[in-house]
Amino acid sequence: DQQVKQNSPSLSVQEGRISILNCDYTNSMFDYFLWYKKYPAEGPTFLISISSIKDKNEDGRFTVFLNKSAKHLSLHIVPSQPGDSAVYFCAASGVYTGNQFYFGTGTSLTVIP
Amino acid sequence: DVKVTQSSRYLVKRTGEKVFLECVQDMDHENMFWYRQDPGLGLRLIYFSYDVKMKEKGDIPEGYSVSREKKERFSLILESASTNQTSMYLCASSFLGQKVYEQYFGPGTRLTVT
Repeated sequence: DQQVKQNSPSLSVQEGRISILNCDYTNSMFDYFLWYKKYPAEGPTFLISISSIKDKNEDGRFTVFLNKSAKHLSLHIVPSQPGDSAVYFCAASGVYTGNQFYFGTGTSLTVIP
Repeated sequence: DVKVTQSSRYLVKRTGEKVFLECVQDMDHENMFWYRQDPGLGLRLIYFSYDVKMKEKGDIPEGYSVSREKKERFSLILESASTNQTSMYLCASSFLGQKVYEQYFGPGTRLTVT
């Protein structure tokens, strides 16, 4: 059973606008969440993370929001750029899950110039 | 800069062949992982290892085995390749500790079994 879900397989956004990627999880033991970005024919690269003691973490154009009560996190990219076009995976983990990461199915973001 | 390398970018094998996928990391990470990525299914964990000669099953270990004889090297073995093992295989590594550390990924191996 998928413990981390990304219900939108794809998203298209105009350059300069905001991209919002969503992720839901089911395991309340998760206490650390990450976003990875993947270009075709490359491995995923770490983008941004958030621990459960926070509800927001910001790094430049990227902000991750965590709503623990709803078991939901989102990644905001502002402003979106064509180079942001990639597949984005959210992942969840925690010391009580043995440091194993559980990945979502990914959302393919296309930023239209 | 962390570097995770995988022995092949593309591989084509026949059904029934034994296949070895090699992964090497240069950051002295304790943890190493093997995933496969399939459309609509995301990244699924096959096996991981937190120390030399130690291994743990992930979510989909059937049909695979692993070997970790040295800290920097983690091998994935397909004992008898089948067409349903055609996939993108990704290796990752991370530190092991009291907190959760992000994983660093290699470029992937696209395996086709015919």
